[in-house]
Amino acid sequence: KAGVTQTPRYLIKTRGQQVTLSCSPISGHRSVSWYQQTPGQGLQFLFEYFSETQRNKGNFPGRFSGRQFSNSRSEMNVSTLELGDSALYLCASSPLGVPLGTEAFFGQGTRLTVV
Amino acid sequence: AQSVTQPDIHITVSEGASLELRCNYSYGATPYLFWYVQSPGQGLQLLLKYFSGDTLVQGIKGFEAEFKRSQSSFNLRKPSVHWSDAAEYFCAVGARSGTGRRALTFGSGTRLQVQP
Repeated sequence: KAGVTQTPRYLIKTRGQQVTLSCSPISGHRSVSWYQQTPGQGLQFLFEYFSETQRNKGNFPGRFSGRQFSNSRSEMNVSTLELGDSALYLCASSPLGVPLGTEAFFGQGTRLTVV
Repeated sequence: AQSVTQPDIHITVSEGASLELRCNYSYGATPYLFWYVQSPGQGLQLLLKYFSGDTLVQGIKGFEAEFKRSQSSFNLRKPSVHWSDAAEYFCAVGARSGTGRRALTFGSGTRLQVQP
């Protein structure tokens, strides 16, 4: 069974630009969560999608958004990039959503650098 | 709101020595608890989880953790560390968010260095 796939692995963007990251969950998993990892703030929850609906959101500004498609693949978008958005963005998939009796499987992440 | 504290930012142990990584959580009910490991440039791999039942849980790679409700702790242990265990370890708690759904809250991590 293929794991969680995140593309691209690395990105360099300029301040003010926007970026879209992609996550393909494990086949059959309906929940996709996104996390931001930085040295200063650690791992922080961004949002979770389940069956194409956002059902949980962390404390991030509206510049951060996401969506989920009918095949459970998810994208997250960051508009008007700031230097502080430089981070490793991790996607996690689970059958029902953590931690409803299941576990989250993480992808390798997308390293975003904003210059 | 739930929180997780990993008091040790960096730990160095010798190969073959025992290991204990500390984790304390704050949550108003019985939490769901996890330990994840992250190698440089990689994602997170689940080591073990506690949902209910036996408070001593076994995980992969020879790790185990014990849930102690009275101490709000979920410490990770391994009797004999291998050089390949060098990585960063994260404790996480799963609990209800304000919307009634659940999300993972992570500790700040403990970086493990293994000396030969």
